Amino acid sequence: DADVTQTPRNRITKTGKRIMLECSQTKGHDRMYWYRQDPGLGLRLIYYSFDVKDINKGEISDGYSVSRQAQAKFSLSLESAIPNQTALYFCATSEAGGSDTGELFFGEGSRLTVL
Amino acid sequence: AQSVTQPDIHITVSEGASLELRCNYSYGATPYLFWYVQSPGQGLQLLLKYFSGDTLVQGIKGFEAEFKRSQSSFNLRKPSVHWSDAAEYFCAVGAPWAPGRRALTFGSGTRLQVQP
Repeated sequence: DADVTQTPRNRITKTGKRIMLECSQTKGHDRMYWYRQDPGLGLRLIYYSFDVKDINKGEISDGYSVSRQAQAKFSLSLESAIPNQTALYFCATSEAGGSDTGELFFGEGSRLTVL
Repeated sequence: AQSVTQPDIHITVSEGASLELRCNYSYGATPYLFWYVQSPGQGLQLLLKYFSGDTLVQGIKGFEAEFKRSQSSFNLRKPSVHWSDAAEYFCAVGAPWAPGRRALTFGSGTRLQVQP
């Protein structure tokens, strides 16, 4: 089984719908991240969380919200999806404290299409 | 703010040929540097990383990268490309010790195509 699991892997939805992408990890890492990948733009940070009580906006947080339900779970929500949120979304984790090198461990991605 | 530039959007090489993918970063000090690879339909896998010490780092799948402080570069190389290396490659920079900046910044990626 994957250490970082994202669900759903693929989702097609309509404009205005609420969508939740879920991420769970078995790596025991404190830090979790949501990135968005668009062709030609690389990966851009949406939100990140250093522990259950610490959530921070990334560079493109508008239109998104997150919930850190537990150390192992970090969900990304689109309250009212719009077509330009069509993208590949990645969840990632990293270690904290003395082992913190910034290295990220990625899930396999969730492809979202908003019609 | 940290930033990463990958000047080549798309590169095509013949199988068996050598490969160099370019990466330039902008940061006030020497950051941590990473190369990730994304195969079609897959997540991102770490190829190699540089934190300090020897400026030539070895990674998985026969890849290596050289950190050049004077050029703010961290180019990825492979002496002989295999068809299975066709993928998208991302350079990333991080500074986990820096206040207010604690997530990796990625370049826009270079897509590698391998011709038989």
